[in-house]
Amino acid sequence: EAQVTQNPRYLITVTGKKLTVTCSQNMNHEYMSWYRQDPGLGLRQIYYSMNVEVTDKGDVPEGYKVSRKEKRNFPLILESPSPNQTSLYFCASSLSTGGNTGELFFGEGSRLTVL
Amino acid sequence: SQQGEEDPQALSIQEGENATMNCSYKTSINNLQWYRQNSGRGLVHLILIRSNEREKHSGRLRVTLDTSKKSSSLLITASRAADTASYFCASDMDSNYQLIWGAGTKLIIKP
Repeated sequence: EAQVTQNPRYLITVTGKKLTVTCSQNMNHEYMSWYRQDPGLGLRQIYYSMNVEVTDKGDVPEGYKVSRKEKRNFPLILESPSPNQTSLYFCASSLSTGGNTGELFFGEGSRLTVL
Repeated sequence: SQQGEEDPQALSIQEGENATMNCSYKTSINNLQWYRQNSGRGLVHLILIRSNEREKHSGRLRVTLDTSKKSSSLLITASRAADTASYFCASDMDSNYQLIWGAGTKLIIKP
């Protein structure tokens, strides 16, 4: 089954404790992206990757890191989480051609709370 | 990237009625996409309409695109309780690998 898998789905952590949210897709997609969704602010892009070893900042990259060492995986790293990073996070992937994102496939989301 | 605009923000209708949501964007696009999100879940792609298309159908969904007005609409016919969700448009601009997302329309179908 074609899917994007995120882990963990739910996490409560404390300020400053490094954490990683994993994302894996089994569709051989070149393009992967991380979003955060907050009430009243909609979907905001954090980072995206057009292919292995190619990443770029989205709209709200501060406080986050990503890596793309393999095509299928695109982890989101919070080196020193702060309460303003409490949010619902989504990973998404697509085939992407010619500079266009194309149809995105989303994971089920990771709800992160930073105390 | 700037957020696109959708209206209405919320829509509540009776089961069986049609629901129409509108989306506007600011720059030229390659395509425009519509997604559905059930409460707290991942977004699901519904339909993609290319800039050279004016109308597209998928089951009970009808999407129109007016590039001169930079707007699109999503029509859901014969609504069902299961259509209760938030609906988002996303405009795919040329050559920058980023989507401009609308703020979403929250649709409630009353039984």
